[in-house]
Amino acid sequence: RKEVEQDPGPFNVPEGATVAFNCTYSNSASQSFFWYRQDCRKEPKLLMSVYSSGNEDGRFTAQLNRASQYISLLIRDSKLSDSATYLCVVEIQGGKLIFGQGTELSVKP
Amino acid sequence: DTEVTQTPKHLVMGMTNKKSLKCEQHMGHRAMYWYKQKAKKPPELMFVYSYEKLSINESVPSRFSPECPNSSLLNLHLHALQPEDSALYLCASSWDSRDEQFFGPGTRLTVL
Repeated sequence: RKEVEQDPGPFNVPEGATVAFNCTYSNSASQSFFWYRQDCRKEPKLLMSVYSSGNEDGRFTAQLNRASQYISLLIRDSKLSDSATYLCVVEIQGGKLIFGQGTELSVKP
Repeated sequence: DTEVTQTPKHLVMGMTNKKSLKCEQHMGHRAMYWYKQKAKKPPELMFVYSYEKLSINESVPSRFSPECPNSSLLNLHLHALQPEDSALYLCASSWDSRDEQFFGPGTRLTVL
């Protein structure tokens, strides 16, 4: 079983749609959780950290369920500029980040 | 300023060459990282430095040699690389080893 699993997509959605990404992780000792986005041939950029209480940043909402070892990202009112690969990332020990395979999102006009 | 800089942007080297990749951050971060990313794959951790000491080496071949001269700088020395080492090499930094990591733009390496 992979340490971090994501649906690879691609997700093709129209502008204005709501899209949800899911991620599961296998190491129950994981402490820190993040969503990054990566544009083609660019570096990963931090989108948001994920907390047990859930957190929201504008159109983006992240949730963590420690009991189920499940992380989600919801994007509301999708924009063309949201097109990217979204990486679910779990920290498993002292700075060791494990990246999921990434979910590709394409937002169409 | 959440900027991590990397030089060079692109590097082409032969299998007998010796070269170095450089990474710099001025955010006062105490942890720095090297990752390798192949096309269509997620980044893979290579090394972690915490407070200028190597804390994680992910069984990376010795032809890759990291160095942390001070808290702002991280180098990756390359020697006798193989064509399969061609990839995007990303540097990252964070306040502490459990915090959000900020990535540099990467060095795109081609080994001939």
